[in-house]
Amino acid sequence: EVQLLESGGGMVQPGGSLRLSCAASGFTFSNYAMSWVRQAPGKGLEWVSFISGSGGVTYYTDSVKGRFTISRDTSKNMLYLQMKSLRAEDTAVYYCATAPQDYYYAMDVWGQGTTVTVSS
Amino acid sequence: EIVLTQSPGTLSLSPGERATLSCRASQSVSSNYLAWYQQKPGQAPRLLIYGASRRPTGIPDRFSGSGSGTDFTLTISRLEPEDFAVYYCQQYGSSLWSFGQGTKVEIK
Repeated sequence: EVQLLESGGGMVQPGGSLRLSCAASGFTFSNYAMSWVRQAPGKGLEWVSFISGSGGVTYYTDSVKGRFTISRDTSKNMLYLQMKSLRAEDTAVYYCATAPQDYYYAMDVWGQGTTVTVSS
Repeated sequence: EIVLTQSPGTLSLSPGERATLSCRASQSVSSNYLAWYQQKPGQAPRLLIYGASRRPTGIPDRFSGSGSGTDFTLTISRLEPEDFAVYYCQQYGSSLWSFGQGTKVEIK
């Protein structure tokens, strides 16, 4: 069964850092591009970042450029999102999702999400 | 950046009725890169349609997508009780992804 499991969320003060992890299982991880998507409380979905299967290509939404870094460890089937200089507006549920090329990079399989709260 | 505008904001319908959801883009979107998702409260989104009109394995055929250019439509032919949820369109272009603000389909 294809499965994604996020972890690493929590409460952090403004300006702080947090690293989210996403454990992948049930598929050949290196064959799939991945994305992070977030959802602020009571709001819609917002794409955050993308990484290619090889890890050589990364993209970010403008509001997190220079603060967030996406990476992957194929040997561990793990996806990461390193978040620095966190702001109140980064408060959200963060989802990892597969973004297969066969689906034109639409987000196919999703994790259950991990909650990040930025507050003093 | 391409902005997606969904309408209506809320659609009040009864089970068995047909639902038609609209997604309009601020610039032309390649049909390959238009997707639709369903989200229920407390759950992660679920991919319903990719490539504007293609259904992933396991998605019922009462869900269909159409459109091109700047105007796309998600149609639910006959609403089942489990279809009442929020629906989002999403596009990918120029190394950026964006979502519409969502349409809530509620029970009338």
